[in-house]
Amino acid sequence: GENVEQHPSTLSVQEGDSAVIKCTYSDSASNYFPWYKQELGKRPQLIIDIRSNVGEKKDQRIAVTLNKTAKHFSLHITETQPEDSAVYFCAASLNRDDKIIFGKGTRLHILP
Amino acid sequence: GAVVSQHPSWVICKSGTSVKIECRSLDFQATTMFWYRQFPKQSLMLMATSNEGSKATYEQGVEKDKFLINHASLTLSTLTVTSAHPEDSSFYICSATALAGGHEQYFGPGTRLTVT
Repeated sequence: GENVEQHPSTLSVQEGDSAVIKCTYSDSASNYFPWYKQELGKRPQLIIDIRSNVGEKKDQRIAVTLNKTAKHFSLHITETQPEDSAVYFCAASLNRDDKIIFGKGTRLHILP
Repeated sequence: GAVVSQHPSWVICKSGTSVKIECRSLDFQATTMFWYRQFPKQSLMLMATSNEGSKATYEQGVEKDKFLINHASLTLSTLTVTSAHPEDSSFYICSATALAGGHEQYFGPGTRLTVT
């Protein structure tokens, strides 16, 4: 089955700097790669996603890149703000409506 | 956007008893619902995939006789934790995907189960 590895487990960046989280996946059949933000005790919130036929996608301060050959994808957050502090999960799935396999998560701290 | 609810939001039960958690899609019909569990400071682990009118598909290592899943309608799936033990204490989250395929999965708010 699919296995998703995520690094780093914890990341601290100064407010205004950029943050990068990296993930790898094992199943070459995976075609859909969502990223979730989860605050303590809350449900995961989809922040951006990318399909395997796209190499990069951007939404304001958030961007995701995908290298399907190498089976890795990354989340980039620019101009970080205090409200970006949360746990971020990468994930992989065959399709958007298929089961989602999550990475272990990255706890992002934005330092004042 | 689409809304998924869970009930209850938190529950405390005694060891050996059973507890039922409901997952409802409020404004769309859900072909498929997924159940996840999340231990503190850990990731979401998929437990099972639930399709309306058919038996759930459980992930490896998940006891189907302990975690009973029923998806009786296109808007409701239930997870029953039978003979609960303290190690079953966790955050249980469902997600649902719309009847028309290819749509985003929508997550419920989660249910925190504490077994004493």
